[in-house]
Amino acid sequence: QTVVTQEPSFSVSPGGTVTLTCGLSSGSVSTSYYPSWYQQTPGQAPRTLIYSTNTRSSGVPDRFSGSILGNKAALTITGAQADDESDYYCVLYMGSGFWVFGGGTKLTVL
Amino acid sequence: QLQLQESGPGLVKPSETLSLTCTVSGGSIISSAYYWGWIRQPPGKGLEWIGSIYYSGSTYHNPSLKSRVTISVDTSKNQFSLKLGSVTAADTAVYYCASYQLLSVFFDYWGQGTLVTVSS
Repeated sequence: QTVVTQEPSFSVSPGGTVTLTCGLSSGSVSTSYYPSWYQQTPGQAPRTLIYSTNTRSSGVPDRFSGSILGNKAALTITGAQADDESDYYCVLYMGSGFWVFGGGTKLTVL
Repeated sequence: QLQLQESGPGLVKPSETLSLTCTVSGGSIISSAYYWGWIRQPPGKGLEWIGSIYYSGSTYHNPSLKSRVTISVDTSKNQFSLKLGSVTAADTAVYYCASYQLLSVFFDYWGQGTLVTVSS
């Protein structure tokens, strides 16, 4: 069974930079998995931040960026703000219509 | 811009079938560009892809749920539906419907989500 791994939690200081990662229990994440990233605040539906590894969704500030770092997909927030405190999820497209979400990272800004 | 809205009972008894419908507005469910999916989130936990459907009726299911899941589309009503059989308390979750395009490969539009509680 495919497991997508994310850090359970992370903290960053206001104005700081943080990189969240999205890996596979076995194997490497590549652009072929079309990694996408979603931000979710309590009680709200997820909001798309990044798709196809590094394309920002409409209206997403450029302090959010996506990439492949080593064998993982990565979401970098540069100049973190208080309202970036959220849960962040990645999802990988495994092909043939199948998707797997990561467990999510709870980001604290303090 | 697409809008998706989930509807269905908020309470289901154990061993019964959970049934939800997603109504699509702002676009046609028979668009060749779009796939339609269900995603759930148990309270305090992460997101889980349940399955997806194309307007032609092709379906894709999470292997961990496959035997209990039925996803269908009603093109006349611009809706697609989820049925999850033999539910237990572990199926208590917020259920989201969402859309994605194979050209861009991400979930671009989401419903607001609906909480379904499994309890007697």
